[in-house]
Amino acid sequence: GAGVSQSPSNKVTEKGKDVELRCDPISGHTALYWYRQSLGQGLEFLIYFQGNSAPDKSGLPSDRFSAERTGGSVSTLTIQRTQQEDSAVYLCASSFGTNYEQYFGPGTRLTVT
Amino acid sequence: KQEVTQIPAALSVPEGENLVLNCSFTDSAIYNLQWFRQDPGKGLTSLLLIQSSQREQTSGRLNASLDKSSGRSTLYIAASQPGDSATYLCAVSAGGFKTIFGAGTRLFVKA
Repeated sequence: GAGVSQSPSNKVTEKGKDVELRCDPISGHTALYWYRQSLGQGLEFLIYFQGNSAPDKSGLPSDRFSAERTGGSVSTLTIQRTQQEDSAVYLCASSFGTNYEQYFGPGTRLTVT
Repeated sequence: KQEVTQIPAALSVPEGENLVLNCSFTDSAIYNLQWFRQDPGKGLTSLLLIQSSQREQTSGRLNASLDKSSGRSTLYIAASQPGDSATYLCAVSAGGFKTIFGAGTRLFVKA
């Protein structure tokens, strides 16, 4: 079956612009995660959605970052007024629930110039 | 605060060798531990998931063990192949959702 997909695969934007990153999870997966992987850094948890529950936003680095998940499926991560330090690979993962295997998408490489 | 450490940071071995990658975590109150591989420029591929009540999981040439009380997990790769060259990441989930990753072990298997 289809895996987790993310779009765009690459995004170059100017400092100060807003960007939207999209994640399509595996059908039937109720849990969705966003992570950030900066050059030379490990994966950093950003936000988590589980079903219709309120998302866990504890990992978002600033109020410029927000995410939503519509209809319990597709998710969009929005970064407002991008800064150069936002340059990273943004990875999305989904799973059947909170204690199940996570499946990752290929990521979106964001470059802020 | 949960911290995950992976040793070694990098490893180079000749083809055919058996090898062990190590992962340690500071808080034993975990739900599960998952091993992933990441190829350059790609996303993560799940290898094995060990629930907190389990001691090990096996898939093909891979075997992962979990000792929750000591905060350790090992990933054993038998008869390594050049195609195994990648970065291997260990991740623990606590509280059901927040997943903490180690920095990874970069493995290079020489033909």
